[in-house]
Amino acid sequence: GAVVSQHPSWVICKSGTSVKIECRSLDFQATTMFWYRQFPKQSLMLMATSNEGSKATYEQGVEKDKFLINHASLTLSTLTVTSAHPEDSSFYICSVGTSGAGLSYEQYFGPGTRLTVT
Amino acid sequence: AQKVTQAQTEISVVEKEDVTLDCVYETRDTTYYLFWYKQPPSGELVFLIRRNSFDEQNEISGRYSWNFQKSTSSFNFTITASQVVDSAVYFCALDIQGAQKLVFGQGTRLTINP
Repeated sequence: GAVVSQHPSWVICKSGTSVKIECRSLDFQATTMFWYRQFPKQSLMLMATSNEGSKATYEQGVEKDKFLINHASLTLSTLTVTSAHPEDSSFYICSVGTSGAGLSYEQYFGPGTRLTVT
Repeated sequence: AQKVTQAQTEISVVEKEDVTLDCVYETRDTTYYLFWYKQPPSGELVFLIRRNSFDEQNEISGRYSWNFQKSTSSFNFTITASQVVDSAVYFCALDIQGAQKLVFGQGTRLTINP
C-alpha cells in the first residue's frame, strides 16, 4: 500500500504566525490528496481536497484564505495555516487514495501533525 | 446526506472478552465504500478493512470480523478474545462512489483492561 509521511509531526507556533505542514506520498503518485482535521477526542473532518496542478477544493465552512493548500507535484501537498490562532490548534492529517481496477481502492493516512498555537 | 453513526462512545472490557463495535450509515447512493480504521494513542490511523456496497460477505481476519448488512445499513466490527493492544479509538467511515472523501463516525474508544 501507499506510504504517506507528514512533516513536522508536531509544531508549536505563536498566535499570528503561519505554519506549513507537508504531506508526502512516498511510493505512489497521488493526483489527489486529502486534508483532515481532528480536534481532541473528536472525529476527523475533511477540510479540503488537494489536486495536483490545480486549486484545492474546500469543504463548506473551511476558510480557503486561512488554510492554503498547494499540490505542486504528484508526491507532495502542503497545508499552510496562515495567521494561526489558538482555535486552530488541532491534529491535521493527510491521506492518499489509491485507485485500482474496477471498484477497488484503498486510502492511506499520514501519521498526522499536531499543531499547538500559543 | 451521508452520515455515519457510532453510538458507542466508549467501551471497556476485560481482556479475552469479545467486543462488538457498532456502525450505522446513511446514504442514498447505491455505490459506496465502508471502512474501519484504528487510531492508537500515537494518532496514526491504521487501515483495517474496506468493503464495497456490492459485497455483503462477512469477513474474518484473525481475531477481527466484520458483519455488513445492507438491510439495516450496518457494518459492525467484532474483536474476539480481546487483548490490551486492541485498546484504541476505532472509526467507521463512508465513501460515496469512490470519491475518496471519507465521512467518519464519531469513533468508539475501546479500552481493554488486563
